[in-house]
Amino acid sequence: GAGVSQSPSNKVTEKGKDVELRCDPISGHTALYWYRQRLGQGLEFLIYFQGNSAPDKSGLPSDRFSAERTGESVSTLTIQRTQQEDSAVYLCASSYRSGGSYEQYFGPGTRLTVT
Amino acid sequence: KNEVEQSPQNLTAQEGEFITINCSYSVGISALHWLQQHPGGGIVSLFMLSSGKKKHGRLIATINIQEKHSSLHITASHPRDSAVYICAVGNNDMRFGAGTRLTVKP
Repeated sequence: GAGVSQSPSNKVTEKGKDVELRCDPISGHTALYWYRQRLGQGLEFLIYFQGNSAPDKSGLPSDRFSAERTGESVSTLTIQRTQQEDSAVYLCASSYRSGGSYEQYFGPGTRLTVT
Repeated sequence: KNEVEQSPQNLTAQEGEFITINCSYSVGISALHWLQQHPGGGIVSLFMLSSGKKKHGRLIATINIQEKHSSLHITASHPRDSAVYICAVGNNDMRFGAGTRLTVKP
């Protein structure tokens, strides 16, 4: 079946502009995660959704970052007033359920470059 | 100190060698994950384990919950194993190691 998909694959934006990144999880997966990987650095947790429960936003680095998910489907990560330090690969993953005991399936990522 | 420490950071091996990558963590976990990140950036889950040992092909992962330590072994390494291997722990807010960059030379 189809894996996790993300769009766009690459995004170049000017400092100060808003961007929206999209993630389509695997059908039937109730949990969805967003991560960030800056160049040469490790993965950082941003936010996760489990079903219709309130999302865990504890990893979001500032109030310029927000994310939404419609039910158990598509999610969008929005970055407002982008800064150069937001340049990174943004990865989405989904799993059957939340909790660390379920395998996560990763999307290919969106490479964001803020000029 | 990072919550998840991996060693070594970089590893170069000759084809056929036995590889070991280590991961130590300091937080409570429900499971530990080993991930593989290919040079193109794609991430694949290799193992998820909460106790004992798992084997998949030439890959073996072990975990010692009491010692908060896990190892990833690759037997008969091959150039196609060249990638970054990442250890991750936690529940939903996963914490990741910095990764081990493995290069296997033919």
